[in-house]
Amino acid sequence: SAVISQKPSRDICQRGTSLTIQCQVDSQVTMMFWYRQQPGQSLTLIATANQGSEATYESGFVIDKFPISRPNLTFSTLTVSNMSPEDSSIYLCSVAGVTDTQYFGPGTRLTVL
Amino acid sequence: GESVGLHLPTLSVQEGDNSIINCAYSNSASDYFIWYKQESGKGPQFIIDIRSNMDKRQGQRVTVLLNKTVKHLSLQIAATQPGDSAVYFCAERGEVTDKLIFGTGTRLQVFP
Repeated sequence: SAVISQKPSRDICQRGTSLTIQCQVDSQVTMMFWYRQQPGQSLTLIATANQGSEATYESGFVIDKFPISRPNLTFSTLTVSNMSPEDSSIYLCSVAGVTDTQYFGPGTRLTVL
Repeated sequence: GESVGLHLPTLSVQEGDNSIINCAYSNSASDYFIWYKQESGKGPQFIIDIRSNMDKRQGQRVTVLLNKTVKHLSLQIAATQPGDSAVYFCAERGEVTDKLIFGTGTRLQVFP
């Protein structure tokens, strides 16, 4: 399976600011995804990161709040914009290659004060 | 580390016993299913997967059973060890999409 890293691993931010999370994978992958896991909850898909084009967002998530980039097959960023305490969550990227299996990064633990 | 799933259903088993974790999925058209293990402070780790054309698949100490009639998935862990303590999630994928839909999760606690 691919080795996936995320930066930062955790952060504490002030409300109204923005944080960009990076996801790097050690091999070229077909699909990259961003998930949110709120405290005590399961995983919810935010969007599919598309290389060279706009991400595909799930219901309830919008580009202005969660802009996503994917400049190549091994790297993606998720920005959490204009943060509020409700954005405190674990943010996870996942990747999938030629098989259907999705593998997850270690997550970024965000606390918004 | 950070705790995930503070209010999740919990299964408590004794070390050495077998564990069975159950999951009901929502979409009868789903064609692919995965079990993940998430330890405190970590991302979900792939355990085993199964496609809808199979009823059973075995890995090392783990078995996944799929009952499409009642839309039920189970994960069996043989000879449960303390290192198996974690939150376990099932996930389903629809027939024409790459998106995974996750279940609510079950916390497995292994006691000596």
